[in-house]
Amino acid sequence: GNSVTQMEGPVTLSEEAFLTINCTYTATGYPSLFWYVQYPGEGLQLLLKATKADDKGSNKGFEATYRKETTSFHLEKGSVQVSDSAVYFCALSGARTGNQFYFGTGTSLTVIP
Amino acid sequence: DAGVIQSPRHEVTEMGQEVTLRCKPISGHDYLFWYRQTMMRGLELLIYFNNNVPIDDSGMPEDRFSAKMPNASFSTLKIQPSEPRDSAVYFCASSPLRGRERSPLHFGNGTRLTVT
Repeated sequence: GNSVTQMEGPVTLSEEAFLTINCTYTATGYPSLFWYVQYPGEGLQLLLKATKADDKGSNKGFEATYRKETTSFHLEKGSVQVSDSAVYFCALSGARTGNQFYFGTGTSLTVIP
Repeated sequence: DAGVIQSPRHEVTEMGQEVTLRCKPISGHDYLFWYRQTMMRGLELLIYFNNNVPIDDSGMPEDRFSAKMPNASFSTLKIQPSEPRDSAVYFCASSPLRGRERSPLHFGNGTRLTVT
């Protein structure tokens, strides 16, 4: 079946620290992969995406590379800011998922000054 | 583009009352999804529509829940009767389908439901 596994949170980092949030997936076929971010009191917003193997999605200093051989899509940022404090969700979707989206459980990030 | 619009933002009701949540998707989007988010269970897909037709409602928890999409610009999620365990944030999301590439979901800001 289709599923997404994210590292457990919460994660607390100091400002300017390096961030990695691990995400691995199980899927039939070749899904598209996404990272969403949810700020307090808001809905999920697309952060970045990758649609095929070896693609790198990037946005706002965040990056993730679609690794088919390890079925992973880890989120990284070189220097986090207080404003990056949010919950991050990894997700997959594709034609063989019945056009559904499968989300991970979310990883809460708090960045302290 | 105004994005996905949900109403109300907050709803507080007593157990046994009927609750109706509303969603206006982004114009031109073929797919509409209803999700529920709780601390215990995370983000759960309840139901989704394609071109106003329900495709998969296997996530709807009970017969107390029903969803409709009478036209391309409006959908409702109804709970009747409501129970305290229905307390959650309910999100509506829409998405176009562009060729073979899975387009991302666009979420509304959610309705926070509290059933006392």
